[in-house]
Amino acid sequence: KAGVTQTPRYLIKTRGQQVTLSCSPISGHRSVSWYQQTPGQGLQFLFEYFSETQRNKGNFPGRFSGRQFSNSRSEMNVSTLELGDSALYLCASSLGLAGGRATDTQYFGPGTRLTVL
Amino acid sequence: AQSVTQLDSHVSVSEGTPVLLRCNYSSSYSPSLFWYVQHPNKGLQLLLKYTSAATLVKGINGFEAEFKKSETSFHLTKPSAHMSDAAEYFCVVNVDQGGKLIFGQGTELSVKP
Repeated sequence: KAGVTQTPRYLIKTRGQQVTLSCSPISGHRSVSWYQQTPGQGLQFLFEYFSETQRNKGNFPGRFSGRQFSNSRSEMNVSTLELGDSALYLCASSLGLAGGRATDTQYFGPGTRLTVL
Repeated sequence: AQSVTQLDSHVSVSEGTPVLLRCNYSSSYSPSLFWYVQHPNKGLQLLLKYTSAATLVKGINGFEAEFKKSETSFHLTKPSAHMSDAAEYFCVVNVDQGGKLIFGQGTELSVKP
């Protein structure tokens, strides 16, 4: 079974631009979560989508948004980029079963490295 | 609120010696706990998870962790380190029984020949 894929793997943008990152989950997984990884803040949760609905949200400004499509693929958008948005953005997928969410295992993609100049 | 503290930011061992990576958690209820590993320029790989079954959890590549409720700890161990174990390790807690993971700050493991 193919793993979680993320595209593109690397991006370079300038301040003020916007960017869209894509994530394809493992086949059969309906939950997709996004995380930001930086040297200073570590790994931080952005949001989770399940069945095309945002089910959970972290403490990030509204410039960060996402969506999920009917095939469970997800996109993350960052508008008005700032230098501090430079990070590795990781996507994770899981079954997302409501009754088993506590034990649901998230499988991570390789990430998208975003550099904002 | 749930949180995770990894007690060492960097651990260095010699090849063939035991590995101990320490993690304490804070949770208002019985948590789900995980250890993930990240090799340079790679995504996160699940090593093992604790979900209130056996307190001693065995994972991949010879790693195991023991859940100790009285000490609120979930330390990761391996009897004999291999060069390929050099990576960053994250202790993780599942929050609110949902899809949000809280990560520790990570422990970088170095393995000397």
